[in-house]
Amino acid sequence: DGGITQSPKYLFRKEGQNVTLSCEQNLNHDAMYWYRQDPGQGLRLIYYSQIVNDFQKGDIAEGYSVSREKKESFPLTVTSAQKNPTAFYLCASSIDRLGDRGRGAQHFGDGTRLSIL
Amino acid sequence: AQSVTQPDIHITVSEGASLELRCNYSYGATPYLFWYVQSPGQGLQLLLKYFSGDTLVQGIKGFEAEFKRSQSSFNLRKPSVHWSDAAEYFCAVGARGNKLVFGAGTILRVKS
Repeated sequence: DGGITQSPKYLFRKEGQNVTLSCEQNLNHDAMYWYRQDPGQGLRLIYYSQIVNDFQKGDIAEGYSVSREKKESFPLTVTSAQKNPTAFYLCASSIDRLGDRGRGAQHFGDGTRLSIL
Repeated sequence: AQSVTQPDIHITVSEGASLELRCNYSYGATPYLFWYVQSPGQGLQLLLKYFSGDTLVQGIKGFEAEFKRSQSSFNLRKPSVHWSDAAEYFCAVGARGNKLVFGAGTILRVKS
């Protein structure tokens, strides 16, 4: 079955450490997204990518970095510059092409919960 | 800028009772609207979406939503709630650049 796989499910970060969250999709979707979820705040967009080798900052990109070298993969690195990284991170993808304003629904993975040691 | 407001943080309903979750959006053009559901520790699942046409949209799990342009609303309804419907529900509006803007969510509790 097609879907989005996020790993690991739980992740712990030490002070000064960078950690990378994996997101893989086999839906053949062009667009991929990373969200951060905190209690009572809904989902906030960190980064998104509409095509391979291109990505844009979302609303809260500071302290995070991404790459999009393959259509199927969109890993997120939480750097040591992110001072409050404890949150639930969700990856999503959609079939949309460039310029198709949010028309396609986004499909979500099961998330990674990141905590500080 | 686009925004979504879900006025109710928590709602509690009895099993078998009807449900309505409120969603108000702000968007300059014709909106694309979505409702998602999230169980604890899980990702989001799409319940339904509105792009154009009939303003009453049917979704999965017996949910429906009605788009009312005059009220800038897209409320989610279900005639009879089941205990398994307890979850958090998010309304979202499509924005430029294929992005979605989400509301803060409404937590639904179902009492037996």
